[in-house]
Amino acid sequence: AQTVTQSQPEMSVQEAETVTLSCTYDTSESNYYLFWYKQPPSRQMILVIRQEAYKQQNATENRFSVNFQKAAKSFSLKISDSQLGDTAMYFCAFMNPTGYALNFGKGTSLLVTP
Amino acid sequence: NAGVMQNPRHLVRRRGQEARLRCSPMKGHSHVYWYRQLPEEGLKFMVYLQKENIIDESGMPKERFSAEFPKEGPSILRIQQVVRGDSAAYFCASSPTGRRRQETQYFGPGTRLLVL
Repeated sequence: AQTVTQSQPEMSVQEAETVTLSCTYDTSESNYYLFWYKQPPSRQMILVIRQEAYKQQNATENRFSVNFQKAAKSFSLKISDSQLGDTAMYFCAFMNPTGYALNFGKGTSLLVTP
Repeated sequence: NAGVMQNPRHLVRRRGQEARLRCSPMKGHSHVYWYRQLPEEGLKFMVYLQKENIIDESGMPKERFSAEFPKEGPSILRIQQVVRGDSAAYFCASSPTGRRRQETQYFGPGTRLLVL
């Protein structure tokens, strides 16, 4: 079974600054899919960004980008120009190509301060 | 286009009662997934359903839990004889076709179950 590790339980960043959340995973697959989901205080799960492992180019969505290091099995999320509304739990998730279950890490709680 | 809808948002049950959680997928989506989030944990996969079919229930506890997705109406996650350890947030997600390489799962707001 694949495991997803988020080593930072809590992080804090000031508004307008940049923060990077780390995620590592363990798999023997060569092709797979990685996701970052955001869970704000409302508890709704919101997709932030996804990455296909066969694509070398790092995915980007507005202020959110990833640093995907396949050899190191690392998938970090960078949030630029942090906003108060970015305060949330962030979950890294893995999906292998032969399954449909998302495997989630335990999450990183991000607090954006004024 | 309405998102994934779940009801109730909050559910309180006493030990031994039954809990029924409902999920209506996004319009045009015919694949539903249920996940459970225990306190301080990430989400854990429970079951994957298509209309009238259970495709994968490998994450479902063997007893007391069942799921269905009938031809008409929402998907139902049913927990019989609830115990305190069932207290959790239960999330439903949906996708259009279930072709694994293609699709993102879109989540509902979750149902918070509290067992007293």
